[in-house]
Amino acid sequence: GQQLNQSPQSMFIQEGEDVSMNCTSSSIFNTWLWYKQDPGEGPVLLIALYKAGELTSNGRLTAQFGITRKDSFLNISASIPSDVGIYFCAGMNYGGSQGNLIFGKGTKLSVKP
Amino acid sequence: DAGVTQSPTHLIKTRGQHVTLRCSPISGHKSVSWYQQVLGQGPQFIFQYYEKEERGRGNFPDRFSARQFPNYSSELNVNALLLGDSALYLCASSPREGGSGYGYTFGSGTRLTVV
Repeated sequence: GQQLNQSPQSMFIQEGEDVSMNCTSSSIFNTWLWYKQDPGEGPVLLIALYKAGELTSNGRLTAQFGITRKDSFLNISASIPSDVGIYFCAGMNYGGSQGNLIFGKGTKLSVKP
Repeated sequence: DAGVTQSPTHLIKTRGQHVTLRCSPISGHKSVSWYQQVLGQGPQFIFQYYEKEERGRGNFPDRFSARQFPNYSSELNVNALLLGDSALYLCASSPREGGSGYGYTFGSGTRLTVV
């Protein structure tokens, strides 16, 4: 099935560093979502973006909806150990009968204490 | 308030068997979607149900089927299990059919292992 191109696949950084990851698609979406998944749990929504060019923050997290509507970026500032997990981007076209999400393959974040 | 609950949490089945997975949405949510997450991959959309009707289907074989009950709970059925069906099966519920991202809540999933 279709999956978005998400990079990097994994990151191993020092606590306090900033983190950047991105997601690209060959298709246009009118909604971009960023999720975090911890082991044994389902994905939890971090940020939702609804407009091309939109920049949205949630605490130390900032995400942007690309102008072309085919990409999105997530930044985490001053990383801490609890940021460890897998981050997924997802594209969605809402408003029709299908609200299904197209996910990326994930970015695994590991933080050194 | 209870979140999305899925049962069982873990399951081991033999190739060729049938399996039924269950999902109870958040109270008041009328839409339920099912996703398959193979190890190391992102979730893949299987089905969406709204008001007991199928509203969307992903690229999965006919061995996969689902239904939604009057209380909005849902079942995912998989027949003739293959080794490749081993995955985490996630259920998500939302208040509306389409959803905007917010309010689209995932359960913790059912880990299915086919041996």
